[in-house]
Amino acid sequence: EVHLEESGGGLVQPGRSLRLSCVGSGFAFDDYAMHWVRQAPGKGLEWVSGISWESGTIAYVDSVKGRFTISRDNAKNSLYLQMNSLRPEDTAFYYCAKEAGQYTYGFDYDSWGQGTLVTVSS
Amino acid sequence: DIHLTQSPSFLSASVGDRVTITCRASQGISHYLAWYQQKPGRAPKLLIYAASTLHSGVPSRFSGSGSGTEFTLTITSLQPEDFATYYCQQVNNDPPYTFGQGTKLEIK
Repeated sequence: EVHLEESGGGLVQPGRSLRLSCVGSGFAFDDYAMHWVRQAPGKGLEWVSGISWESGTIAYVDSVKGRFTISRDNAKNSLYLQMNSLRPEDTAFYYCAKEAGQYTYGFDYDSWGQGTLVTVSS
Repeated sequence: DIHLTQSPSFLSASVGDRVTITCRASQGISHYLAWYQQKPGRAPKLLIYAASTLHSGVPSRFSGSGSGTEFTLTITSLQPEDFATYYCQQVNNDPPYTFGQGTKLEIK
């Protein structure tokens, strides 16, 4: 059974940094593109960033470009999101999500983690 | 960026009803659209991909159609567990892989 588990969320002051992690199990992690999607409390879904299975393709939503960095370590079945210069508007639940197809990039997500809450506030 | 607009944003219906949710794209996206269901406090779940293909394990009362700029999600014979929020997402185009604003389906 596919399982994704995020960690690393918490309360952080504006301007500070946080690193989120997502560990995958139950599937060949290195065969699948992975994404981060966030959801502010009570709001809709927003795609944040994605990375292809071999890290050759990476993309970000404009609002986080230059501040967030996505990466993965396939040997550890892990996905990361380094978040710098955090702003109050970055407050959200952050989900990691696995693409449905092997060796694809930019398609739909068939498995999601439970989410980790990032709160940016002084 | 491609913008997706869902309508309606809120929908009230009864068990057994048939409902349709529309997702309109700001530019043509062929059939590259997915639908997700999200319940409170839970992660989204994939329902439909490629506009009309049912994801494994999703009940057949869910169906999707459309291409280009207009898409629909239809649920026939609503069940109690279907009351949730539904999102469309455009995929396989240039990022960002935007979502619609969501449609909250509530019990009448």
